This record gives sequence, structure tokens and C-alpha cells, in this order.
Amino acid sequence: NAGVTQTPKFQVLKTGQSMTLQCAQDMNHEYMSWYRQDPGMGLRLIHYSVGAGITDQGEVPNGYNVSRSTTEDFPLRLLSAAPSQTSVYFCASSREPGHTTYEQYFGPGTRLTVT
Amino acid sequence: QQPVQSPQAVILREGEDAVINCSSSKALYSVHWYRQKHGEAPVFLMILLKGGEQKGHEKISASFNEKKQQSSLYLTASQLSYSGTYFCGPRDFGNEKLTFGTGTRLTIIP
Repeated sequence: NAGVTQTPKFQVLKTGQSMTLQCAQDMNHEYMSWYRQDPGMGLRLIHYSVGAGITDQGEVPNGYNVSRSTTEDFPLRLLSAAPSQTSVYFCASSREPGHTTYEQYFGPGTRLTVT
Repeated sequence: QQPVQSPQAVILREGEDAVINCSSSKALYSVHWYRQKHGEAPVFLMILLKGGEQKGHEKISASFNEKKQQSSLYLTASQLSYSGTYFCGPRDFGNEKLTFGTGTRLTIIP
């Protein structure tokens, strides 16, 4: 199993550009989520999904869109990039909530810089 | 509201013990703990469930006080490999999402 994969690993955008961060998992996990990590702020939840076709907002959803058309993929779209979105983005997946084993598996991250 | 962790940072010598605390403003169902090495993704350590069940790491223990809405992570006889940033992730009832605290940076020196 590849686990959770993210592409690209690094990206530089200009203010106002849009792009999609890709996330895929091959563990048949129902739950997927996106976090951003900034110095001193820890991991903040952007959006999450409990299954295909179902998404919901996390703590910091503004400026980001998500969709979940398949169990495997959970892309994150930046609509109009701003310097405040410069961050490291992690995608994570886990079994459906309710299982006793509920650990989250994280992807390697995407380092995004907006100039 | 983000869970609160304390301390924010701690430096220990190899072999010393450490305690990391996590507080939530909500009634908790479970608490997750993760460790992140510099430049890497967070990695699962353990889960503590309501009722006292604990799943995870063999050498690191934790407690879960449901009434106080708190959890503590205990690292005994710390090793150099314990260095990293530790995050707690309290889950509250009826909430499927997992949010994390601001993290505790642990540095172990020889």
C-alpha cells in the first residue's frame, strides 16, 4: 500500500492564482481531512469528509474548496491564492469514526508559498 | 476552539521524564496523541478512550480525565528519538472531525 499520497511536494504561486492540491489514499478509508500547519499554530483543520459525496468545514475553511467524488481522492482547491495561505498542507485519512482503531494516517505534505 | 497544550516547549536531558498536558473546552469521547519530527508528517502514538482503554505506544503512557476534560502524556526515561513536536487531538461527542492542539516541542539532549 502507498498509504496517503500528496502532490505536488512544493509549489510557488502568485497572488490571485488558483490551484488544486491532490490527495489520494489506497486504504479504503472513509474519513479524509486537510490541515494546514503554520509556525506556532499547530495543525488546523480546513475541511474534512466522512465519505464520498459528503464534505464539511473545519476551523479555517475560508479560501478553500473541497469535493469527494470517490473514496480514494480528496482534492483541495485554492480559489484565489493569498500570501496568508503560505503554509504546509497535510492530507490525512482514517477508518470511519466509530471503529476503536481510529488513527489518522498523514500524507507527506505540500509546502506552498504564495508571493 | 483549539485545544490547549502545555508546556509549549521543553528541553530535557536523555533519561529524564516529561509530562505534556492537553485541555479541551468540551466533553470528550477520546483523545489522540501524535508526534511530528522536523520536516516530516505527524505520526500516530496512541488513542485514549472513554472508560480508560488505551491503544498505542508501548513505552509512552497517557491518562485521560473525562471530568476535567484533560489528557496528559507521560514520557519516562526519555530517549533522543523522543524529540519532536507532540500534538493532542481531543474528540468530543457527536463530532466526527479531529482537531489538534497547538503542539508541545520536546527537545532531548545527550
